[in-house]
Amino acid sequence: EDQVTQSPEALRLQEGESSSLNCSYTVSGLRGLFWYRQDPGKGPEFLFTLYSAGEEKEKERLKATLTKKESFLHITAPKPEDSATYLCAVQANTGRRALTFGSGTRLQVQP
Amino acid sequence: DAGVIQSPRHEVTEMGQEVTLRCKPISGHNSLFWYRQTMMRGLELLIYFNNNVPIDDSGMPEDRFSAKMPNASFSTLKIQPSEPRDSAVYFCASSSSGGVEQFFGPGTRLTVL
Repeated sequence: EDQVTQSPEALRLQEGESSSLNCSYTVSGLRGLFWYRQDPGKGPEFLFTLYSAGEEKEKERLKATLTKKESFLHITAPKPEDSATYLCAVQANTGRRALTFGSGTRLQVQP
Repeated sequence: DAGVIQSPRHEVTEMGQEVTLRCKPISGHNSLFWYRQTMMRGLELLIYFNNNVPIDDSGMPEDRFSAKMPNASFSTLKIQPSEPRDSAVYFCASSSSGGVEQFFGPGTRLTVL
């Protein structure tokens, strides 16, 4: 059974204080690992897809990396508007297109 | 471009009533997914369609839940009869042919009293 574990559950940062969120996964053959951002009362917003170990993707202050067992979402010099819940999900290469989500990391960036 | 559209955004109903949630996927996307989000279980897939055909309904909790996709631009998720434990946020997502990324709608917050 595919599993995704995210840590920490919650993270409070000062504006400009860089940090990383962790996503550990087990999957029967990885087709893709996904990062989403979710604001309160809204649907998950797609950020990145990573396909293979060693791959990196960047978008503004965010950089996602992937190894064979985990992914990291690095946040550089965060701003208050980066406050949100960040969700990690995996899709197996079994042909089943369901995403298995982690429980998320709630990030709060204080000014 | 319009994203995934869901209606209603909020639904409050009483136990035993029928509830119908609606979704319009992104134009041109041929895969549609229904997810449910709760505090206890997070985001879980209920069912997904490819080219309007249900492919995997293993996440549908029980016979009270049913989903249809009569055409490429519309899907419904029906709960009959509803129970308090069905209270959750229901999301619809769509994906293009060959694409892996799923794009989510704003969700329907369902409260069953």
